[in-house]
Amino acid sequence: DSGVTQTPKHLITATGQRVTLRCSPRSGDLSVYWYQQSLDQGLQFLIQYYNGEERAKGNILERFSAQQFPDLHSELNLSSLELGDSALYFCASSVRGGGYTFGSGTRLTVV
Amino acid sequence: KNEVEQSPQNLTAQEGEFITINCSYSVGISALHWLQQHPGGGIVSLFMLSSGKKKHGRLIATINIQEKHSSLHITASHPRDSAVYICAATTQGGSEKLVFGKGTKLTVNP
Repeated sequence: DSGVTQTPKHLITATGQRVTLRCSPRSGDLSVYWYQQSLDQGLQFLIQYYNGEERAKGNILERFSAQQFPDLHSELNLSSLELGDSALYFCASSVRGGGYTFGSGTRLTVV
Repeated sequence: KNEVEQSPQNLTAQEGEFITINCSYSVGISALHWLQQHPGGGIVSLFMLSSGKKKHGRLIATINIQEKHSSLHITASHPRDSAVYICAATTQGGSEKLVFGKGTKLTVNP
């Protein structure tokens, strides 16, 4: 167990649907990052939150949104899903200047 | 051109061989990370480097800041080292987000 908890591990849903991925960071880490790993694009940064505030945004689609709650857990919401959104979604946490800890990922399959 | 480039893309070795994976980057960085991803999908952070060299067991990571180059070495490779190794950079600036290389798929045969 890395200390970063992601749920669910697997998700199969239909096109047009909406899903929520959840992440609990390692205890003490204030930063949460969301990354997408697809076969053709590799790992890409989506968004970062630091202590409840959005810190940086990457290649995140408008159909996707995220937030970090007061207890520091984070949720990534994906809506109007398309086949191309099928990917592994990773959450990671870090303490400033420190190393990264990754969650085990959520494998999303859109059918 | 990607900001982080890795080579080789694929590497096959025999058990016991010394392995080197290379990473070069074209942006200013505050740290360089080596990650390991097993077939199950989970990602483990192996090293975070900002200068010099780090060693953990049979793994050694080095970085040359002037040349913008890092290497990951595996000594006495073993089939359980088979995985994808990913180089990633924390770029300079406010966010500590990672920019990733495309990974090196390592297969170690017994």
